[in-house]
Formats: sequence, structure tokens, C-alpha cells
Amino acid sequence: AQSVTQPDIHITVSEGASLELRCNYSYGATPYLFWYVQSPGQGLQLLLKYFSGDTLVQGIKGFEAEFKRSQSSFNLRKPSVHWSDAAEYFCAVGPFSGTYKYIFGTGTRLKVLA
Amino acid sequence: DVKVTQSSRYLVKRTGEKVFLECVQDMDHENMFWYRQDPGLGLRLIYFSYDVKMKEKGDIPEGYSVSREKKERFSLILESASTNQTSMYLCASLAVSSYNEQFFGPGTRLTVL
Repeated sequence: AQSVTQPDIHITVSEGASLELRCNYSYGATPYLFWYVQSPGQGLQLLLKYFSGDTLVQGIKGFEAEFKRSQSSFNLRKPSVHWSDAAEYFCAVGPFSGTYKYIFGTGTRLKVLA
Repeated sequence: DVKVTQSSRYLVKRTGEKVFLECVQDMDHENMFWYRQDPGLGLRLIYFSYDVKMKEKGDIPEGYSVSREKKERFSLILESASTNQTSMYLCASLAVSSYNEQFFGPGTRLTVL
């Protein structure tokens, strides 16, 4: 069955430190993969997406993610975190063949220390 | 910019009431979605619609229904609200041509007393 796992529920980093948020997926074919960010009280905003080609994708706000097929992972990274990056981050996979259904991970809440 | 709006940011209802959550998108998208977001559970799909008057059940449709009479509007209906439907509800839209990026509304936080 298809699934998305974000193993870290909470992550705390200091401002200026690097960040890596983990995402693992289970899917039979080459997936379409997404990272979304949700600031407090807001809806989700797309950070980046992967469909094919270069396995390192760049997104908005200085984020990047790397698709690793051998590890079924799509981890999100940022070299230097800013206080405004504090938010909840969701990894998603989809849509699945013949439908427009997506599966979202349970989210990782990022706290940034000044 | 694509805009997805939801009729209320916060809503408080009583058990047994019929509740309507409205979602409107302004980009002529074919597909629209209703998700429920709960802590530790992420987003779970309630229903989606791929055309006017067309709908498909998601993973947790029990206790909900939907209506899509116009392309831009997708309504979620709680026929008889219950306390376990207290949650954040997110609407999203998607155009087939946009490489499958969903655009989300700001959410409606519903409390059922």
C-alpha cells in the first residue's frame, strides 16, 4: 500500500543552522513527490516538487530536496534556517494512477531558536 | 495568483446541527478536494471532485457529503455534526495542466460542542 512517513514529529534548530527533514515513501512506481509548508493559521504552500529528471530539486525560500530511489526518500534541506521558517512541513506523494488522490505525511513541526 | 478561499476561518456548532463549509477557487481548476487535518494524523482526504456534479470518496467520507454545482465552488456538508468532527478542514484545488500542484485555502477550524 502507498504510504508516506515523516519520522520526526518535532525538530528544533538554532537560527543559522542547517536543516534536514526526512520523508520516506512507499509506492510501486516512480512517484510524484511534494513538500508543503504550513505557517501557523494558514493553509499549505508548495515548497517544491519532483516528477522526473534531476534528483536534486530547488524550491522557494531557499529549500531543496533530493530524491533517492534506492532509499525511497525525499528529504528536505536548507543550509541556513531563518526564524521565519518555523512552521509545519508536510511531505506528500501522488496522484495515483487513475485518480487524483494524494497521500500526506503526518508532518514535522519545526521550531527555530534565536 | 491562484486563490482558494474558504467561507469561515473559525466556526462553532452544536452537536446535531447541519454544517456547510464553502470553498471557492478563482482559477477554473477542474479538481477540488476537502481534507481534514488533525494533530499527528496529517491531512486525510474526505472527498474530491473532478468535475461539476462529479465526486469521489476519499479515505474518511463517513459523516460527510459534498456538493459541486458550479466549477468554482465545492461545499462540504456535515449532515449531523458530532464532537469527533471537531477539526481543521482544508480545501484545495488543482488544474490538470499544473503538474499536479494543489493550491490550498487557509482552512476552517470547526469546533462542535
